[in-house]
Amino acid sequence: AQSVSQHNHHVILSEAASLELGCNYSYGGTVNLFWYVQYPGQHLQLLLKYFSGDPLVKGIKGFEAEFIKSKFSFNLRKPSVQWSDTAEYFCAVKNNAGNMLTFGGGTRLMVKP
Amino acid sequence: DGGITQSPKYLFRKEGQNVTLSCEQNLNHDAMYWYRQDPGQGLRLIYYSQIVNDFQKGDIAEGYSVSREKKESFPLTVTSAQKNPTAFYLCASSSQRTGKNIQYFGAGTRLSVL
Repeated sequence: AQSVSQHNHHVILSEAASLELGCNYSYGGTVNLFWYVQYPGQHLQLLLKYFSGDPLVKGIKGFEAEFIKSKFSFNLRKPSVQWSDTAEYFCAVKNNAGNMLTFGGGTRLMVKP
Repeated sequence: DGGITQSPKYLFRKEGQNVTLSCEQNLNHDAMYWYRQDPGQGLRLIYYSQIVNDFQKGDIAEGYSVSREKKESFPLTVTSAQKNPTAFYLCASSSQRTGKNIQYFGAGTRLSVL
């Protein structure tokens, strides 16, 4: 069975700091990769996705993620965070065999103003 | 406007009681999903349905039941057999047509035990 690991459970940053959230998965075949964000009191929203092609994908609000197949990783990055980025971030993986998403445990990000 | 509607937003369950969480979507999506979210554990799949009148168990189906009588609706019943029901429950749906199956989520129902 595939699994997804997010090693940072809680991250605290000051505004303008750079962000990198780790995501590693275990599945040897073709995967689709996602980052979702859950702002306080809001729906889980899709931040960005990778299906194929350029392994560096751009999402909303200045976020990007890089798929490194050899490392089974899909880390999320943002060069300069804002207070409004305070949220919980979830990495998710779908293998090509089915429709199911496997989620990581989530990373709670707090950005201090 | 289109989307996924979950109700109620908050729900309380007494010991031994079954409760049903509603999920309705008007996105014309074929597939629907129920997840349970617990702190530090991410989202875990309870049940999913890829087509009307068909559904499959996810990773943590014990103590839950679902039905899919209409394309728009996928209610989840938390039965008395679920010994630890306190959690945040999320419903999602996706379209099979593009082959990409991006899942869109409702606002969730927070269930607590009295």
